[in-house]
Amino acid sequence: GAGVSQTPSNKVTEKGKYVELRCDPISGHTALYWYRQSLGQGPEFLIYFQGTGAADDSGLPNDRFFAVRPEGSVSTLKIQRTERGDSAVYLCASSRGVSGTGELFFGEGSRLTVL
Amino acid sequence: DAKTTQPNSMESNEEEPVHLPCNHSTISGTDYIHWYRQLPSQGPEYVIHGLTSNVNNRMASLAIAEDRKSSTLILHRATLRDAAVYYCILRDGNQGGKLIFGQGTELSVKP
Repeated sequence: GAGVSQTPSNKVTEKGKYVELRCDPISGHTALYWYRQSLGQGPEFLIYFQGTGAADDSGLPNDRFFAVRPEGSVSTLKIQRTERGDSAVYLCASSRGVSGTGELFFGEGSRLTVL
Repeated sequence: DAKTTQPNSMESNEEEPVHLPCNHSTISGTDYIHWYRQLPSQGPEYVIHGLTSNVNNRMASLAIAEDRKSSTLILHRATLRDAAVYYCILRDGNQGGKLIFGQGTELSVKP
Protein backbone atom coordinates (compact mmCIF):
# COMPACT_ATOMS: atom_id res chain seq x y z
CA GLY A 1 0.00 0.00 0.00
CA ALA A 2 0.96 3.68 -0.08
CA GLY A 3 0.87 4.26 3.67
CA VAL A 4 3.64 4.59 6.25
CA SER A 5 5.37 1.25 6.71
CA GLN A 6 7.19 0.21 9.87
CA THR A 7 9.40 -2.83 10.40
CA PRO A 8 9.58 -5.00 12.34
CA SER A 9 6.02 -5.06 13.61
CA ASN A 10 7.21 -6.91 16.71
CA LYS A 11 10.65 -7.12 18.27
CA VAL A 12 11.61 -9.01 21.40
CA THR A 13 15.09 -8.42 22.74
CA GLU A 14 17.10 -8.85 25.88
CA LYS A 15 18.16 -6.11 28.24
CA GLY A 16 21.41 -4.53 27.09
CA LYS A 17 21.02 -5.37 23.40
CA TYR A 18 20.99 -2.94 20.46
CA VAL A 19 17.80 -2.45 18.42
CA GLU A 20 16.97 -0.75 15.12
CA LEU A 21 13.45 0.15 14.04
CA ARG A 22 12.76 1.22 10.47
CA CYS A 23 10.20 3.61 9.01
CA ASP A 24 9.28 4.02 5.33
CA PRO A 25 7.27 7.23 4.96
CA ILE A 26 4.75 8.04 2.27
CA SER A 27 6.56 8.91 -0.95
CA GLY A 28 7.18 12.63 -1.27
CA HIS A 29 6.59 13.43 2.39
CA THR A 30 9.39 15.65 3.60
CA ALA A 31 8.62 15.49 7.33
CA LEU A 32 8.99 12.34 9.41
CA TYR A 33 8.16 11.91 13.11
CA TRP A 34 8.92 9.29 15.75
CA TYR A 35 6.74 8.70 18.80
CA ARG A 36 6.59 6.01 21.44
CA GLN A 37 3.49 4.86 23.25
CA SER A 38 3.23 2.96 26.50
CA LEU A 39 0.10 1.04 27.44
CA GLY A 40 -2.76 3.35 28.36
CA GLN A 41 -0.88 6.52 27.46
CA GLY A 42 -1.00 8.90 24.54
CA PRO A 43 1.87 8.89 22.03
CA GLU A 44 4.99 10.63 23.35
CA PHE A 45 7.00 12.72 20.88
CA LEU A 46 10.63 11.70 20.35
CA ILE A 47 12.04 13.45 17.27
CA TYR A 48 11.07 14.80 13.89
CA PHE A 49 12.96 15.35 10.65
CA GLN A 50 12.46 17.92 7.93
CA GLY A 51 14.32 16.38 5.02
CA THR A 52 17.56 14.81 6.23
CA GLY A 53 18.03 16.95 9.30
CA ALA A 54 16.54 16.55 12.75
CA ALA A 55 14.40 19.66 13.24
CA ASP A 56 13.47 18.84 16.83
CA ASP A 57 14.97 16.04 18.92
CA SER A 58 13.80 17.39 22.26
CA GLY A 59 11.78 14.26 23.04
CA LEU A 60 14.64 11.76 22.92
CA PRO A 61 14.85 10.54 26.53
CA ASN A 62 18.64 10.07 26.71
CA ASP A 63 21.72 9.43 24.59
CA ARG A 64 20.88 5.75 24.14
CA PHE A 65 18.29 6.85 21.58
CA PHE A 66 19.35 8.09 18.14
CA ALA A 67 17.58 8.46 14.81
CA VAL A 68 18.81 9.04 11.28
CA ARG A 69 17.28 9.84 7.92
CA PRO A 70 20.33 10.00 5.61
CA GLU A 71 18.56 10.43 2.26
CA GLY A 72 15.47 12.24 3.42
CA SER A 73 13.20 9.25 3.03
CA VAL A 74 13.60 6.10 5.16
CA SER A 75 14.42 6.64 8.82
CA THR A 76 15.92 4.35 11.43
CA LEU A 77 15.45 4.71 15.18
CA LYS A 78 18.37 3.19 17.05
CA ILE A 79 18.30 2.21 20.71
CA GLN A 80 21.51 1.17 22.43
CA ARG A 81 21.81 -0.85 25.65
CA THR A 82 18.07 -1.44 25.82
CA GLU A 83 16.33 -1.36 29.19
CA ARG A 84 13.04 -2.90 30.27
CA GLY A 85 11.55 0.59 30.46
CA ASP A 86 12.10 0.98 26.71
CA SER A 87 9.32 -1.54 26.08
CA ALA A 88 6.60 0.30 24.14
CA VAL A 89 5.04 0.70 20.71
CA TYR A 90 7.20 2.96 18.55
CA LEU A 91 5.14 4.92 16.05
CA CYS A 92 6.33 6.68 12.93
CA ALA A 93 4.41 9.34 11.01
CA SER A 94 5.03 11.42 7.92
CA SER A 95 3.56 14.58 6.43
CA ARG A 96 3.99 16.67 3.29
CA GLY A 97 5.55 19.47 5.27
CA VAL A 98 5.48 20.86 8.77
CA SER A 99 2.70 23.36 8.28
CA GLY A 100 0.41 23.85 11.24
CA THR A 101 -2.53 22.82 9.08
CA GLY A 102 -1.01 19.64 7.69
CA GLU A 103 -2.08 16.09 8.43
CA LEU A 104 0.24 13.45 9.90
CA PHE A 105 -0.11 9.91 8.58
CA PHE A 106 0.88 7.25 11.09
CA GLY A 107 2.12 3.72 10.62
CA GLU A 108 0.88 0.82 12.71
CA GLY A 109 3.92 0.88 14.92
CA SER A 110 6.72 -1.44 16.01
CA ARG A 111 6.09 -3.16 19.32
CA LEU A 112 9.35 -3.48 21.28
CA THR A 113 9.58 -5.82 24.25
CA VAL A 114 12.74 -5.81 26.33
CA LEU A 115 13.07 -8.86 28.57
CA ASP B 1 3.09 23.91 23.89
CA ALA B 2 -0.49 24.85 24.75
CA LYS B 3 -2.35 22.28 26.82
CA THR B 4 -5.76 20.70 26.26
CA THR B 5 -8.09 19.05 28.76
CA GLN B 6 -10.45 16.21 27.83
CA PRO B 7 -12.61 13.79 29.83
CA ASN B 8 -10.90 10.43 30.32
CA SER B 9 -13.82 8.44 28.93
CA MET B 10 -17.29 8.72 27.41
CA GLU B 11 -19.99 6.29 26.39
CA SER B 12 -22.38 6.43 23.49
CA ASN B 13 -25.11 4.31 21.97
CA GLU B 14 -24.80 3.17 18.39
CA GLU B 15 -26.44 5.45 15.80
CA GLU B 16 -26.71 8.34 18.27
CA PRO B 17 -24.72 11.59 18.04
CA VAL B 18 -21.62 11.99 20.20
CA HIS B 19 -20.18 15.28 21.43
CA LEU B 20 -16.57 15.08 22.60
CA PRO B 21 -15.47 18.21 24.48
CA CYS B 22 -12.01 19.77 24.71
CA ASN B 23 -10.88 22.74 26.78
CA HIS B 24 -7.89 24.80 25.68
CA SER B 25 -8.05 28.00 27.70
CA THR B 26 -4.43 28.98 26.95
CA ILE B 27 -4.78 28.73 23.17
CA SER B 28 -2.85 31.36 21.22
CA GLY B 29 -4.08 33.24 18.18
CA THR B 30 -2.04 31.14 15.76
CA ASP B 31 -2.91 27.71 17.20
CA TYR B 32 -4.98 25.35 15.08
CA ILE B 33 -7.20 22.80 16.85
CA HIS B 34 -6.56 19.29 15.55
CA TRP B 35 -8.38 16.06 16.36
CA TYR B 36 -6.92 12.60 15.86
CA ARG B 37 -8.30 9.24 16.89
CA GLN B 38 -6.63 5.93 17.60
CA LEU B 39 -8.43 2.67 17.04
CA PRO B 40 -7.25 -0.36 19.05
CA SER B 41 -3.86 -1.68 17.90
CA GLN B 42 -3.49 1.01 15.23
CA GLY B 43 -1.61 4.27 14.86
CA PRO B 44 -3.50 7.54 15.29
CA GLU B 45 -5.45 8.87 12.31
CA TYR B 46 -6.38 12.42 11.44
CA VAL B 47 -10.01 13.39 11.94
CA ILE B 48 -10.40 17.14 11.45
CA HIS B 49 -8.87 20.52 12.23
CA GLY B 50 -9.97 24.14 12.44
CA LEU B 51 -8.92 27.64 13.44
CA THR B 52 -11.96 29.77 14.18
CA SER B 53 -14.93 28.66 12.09
CA ASN B 54 -16.83 25.41 12.48
CA VAL B 55 -15.66 22.70 10.11
CA ASN B 56 -17.32 19.66 8.57
CA ASN B 57 -15.88 16.69 6.74
CA ARG B 58 -16.97 13.16 5.95
CA MET B 59 -15.85 11.87 9.34
CA ALA B 60 -17.04 14.52 11.77
CA SER B 61 -17.82 18.13 12.57
CA LEU B 62 -15.77 20.50 14.70
CA ALA B 63 -17.53 23.23 16.64
CA ILE B 64 -15.22 25.96 17.98
CA ALA B 65 -16.31 28.36 20.69
CA GLU B 66 -16.31 32.04 19.82
CA ASP B 67 -13.49 32.75 22.29
CA ARG B 68 -11.64 29.61 21.03
CA LYS B 69 -11.08 28.41 24.59
CA SER B 70 -12.99 25.21 23.91
CA SER B 71 -14.12 23.02 21.05
CA THR B 72 -16.34 20.00 20.47
CA LEU B 73 -15.87 17.12 18.08
CA ILE B 74 -19.23 15.86 16.85
CA LEU B 75 -19.81 12.40 15.45
CA HIS B 76 -23.27 12.59 13.95
CA ARG B 77 -24.16 8.89 14.15
CA ALA B 78 -21.79 6.77 16.20
CA THR B 79 -20.98 3.31 14.90
CA LEU B 80 -19.16 0.47 16.65
CA ARG B 81 -16.16 1.31 14.48
CA ASP B 82 -15.95 4.76 16.11
CA ALA B 83 -14.87 3.23 19.42
CA ALA B 84 -11.40 4.71 19.87
CA VAL B 85 -9.32 7.18 21.86
CA TYR B 86 -9.89 10.71 20.60
CA TYR B 87 -7.13 13.29 20.99
CA CYS B 88 -7.57 17.07 20.86
CA ILE B 89 -4.27 18.79 20.02
CA LEU B 90 -3.17 22.39 19.49
CA ARG B 91 -0.65 23.01 16.74
CA ASP B 92 1.05 26.32 15.99
CA GLY B 93 -0.01 27.53 12.57
CA ASN B 94 3.28 29.36 12.03
CA GLN B 95 5.75 26.80 13.30
CA GLY B 96 3.80 23.60 12.81
CA GLY B 97 6.12 20.75 13.64
CA LYS B 98 5.37 18.10 16.23
CA LEU B 99 1.99 17.18 17.65
CA ILE B 100 1.84 16.86 21.43
CA PHE B 101 -0.69 14.21 22.47
CA GLY B 102 -2.42 14.23 25.84
CA GLN B 103 -4.35 11.33 27.38
CA GLY B 104 -7.35 11.73 25.10
CA THR B 105 -10.93 10.57 25.60
CA GLU B 106 -11.69 6.88 25.31
CA LEU B 107 -15.03 6.55 23.55
CA SER B 108 -16.97 3.33 23.90
CA VAL B 109 -20.01 2.66 21.70
CA LYS B 110 -22.76 0.32 22.85
CA PRO B 111 -24.86 -1.62 20.33
